[in-house]
Amino acid sequence: DTGVSQNPRHKITKRGQNVTFRCDPISEHNRLYWYRQTLGQGPEFLTYFQNEAQLEKSRLLSDRFSAERPKGSFSTLEIQRTEQGDSAMYLCASSFGSSGTTDTQYFGPGTRLTVL
Amino acid sequence: GNSVTQMEGPVTLSEEAFLTINCTYTATGYPSLFWYVQYPGEGLQLLLKATKADDKGSNKGFEATYRKETTSFHLEKGSVQVSDSAVYFCALRMDTGRRALTFGSGTRLQVQP
Repeated sequence: DTGVSQNPRHKITKRGQNVTFRCDPISEHNRLYWYRQTLGQGPEFLTYFQNEAQLEKSRLLSDRFSAERPKGSFSTLEIQRTEQGDSAMYLCASSFGSSGTTDTQYFGPGTRLTVL
Repeated sequence: GNSVTQMEGPVTLSEEAFLTINCTYTATGYPSLFWYVQYPGEGLQLLLKATKADDKGSNKGFEATYRKETTSFHLEKGSVQVSDSAVYFCALRMDTGRRALTFGSGTRLQVQP
């Protein structure tokens, strides 16, 4: 069990560019979550996958954001036409859940995005 | 909607002092409650959890009791160490419907030797 991994760890980009982040969950975890954390705040939910299905999206996830989880394994989060307000830490978490249980989410180290 | 409120930090304590970090929540229904910790330069780690009223979560000397009557989940430790310096986040999650965690804004703890 190597934990949740995220790449890259840091990304600096210019406003208007597209960026893509990758998350590799703990193997056999069927649920995957993306959160965003700004300085001095707690993480805020962006989107959630169960296997390959994207089951929930937050209102924070504008049309410029898209997430995928092909084959129910790793996930990617893409931000198009980045804005300075997108600067934040993007966190991925995974869990193994089934109906009737309280699953525990395990977080990756995050990808810090800076938009200049 | 659901929300979590934590006491503002930073909380500065001397080593071996008693720690309390207050957390209250608002939720429709009965959530599961969590404390996560974020050490400098590291990711969020689950510290403890409680899934129903009157449950006590504990780990590494930290404890928190799920109090439905006061909608609270205060974090306590009898004797803090310098190595406990970190940011602590209280969070809730509903067991039906939405699967995401709702976090408080975090409380920074600084323990001085």
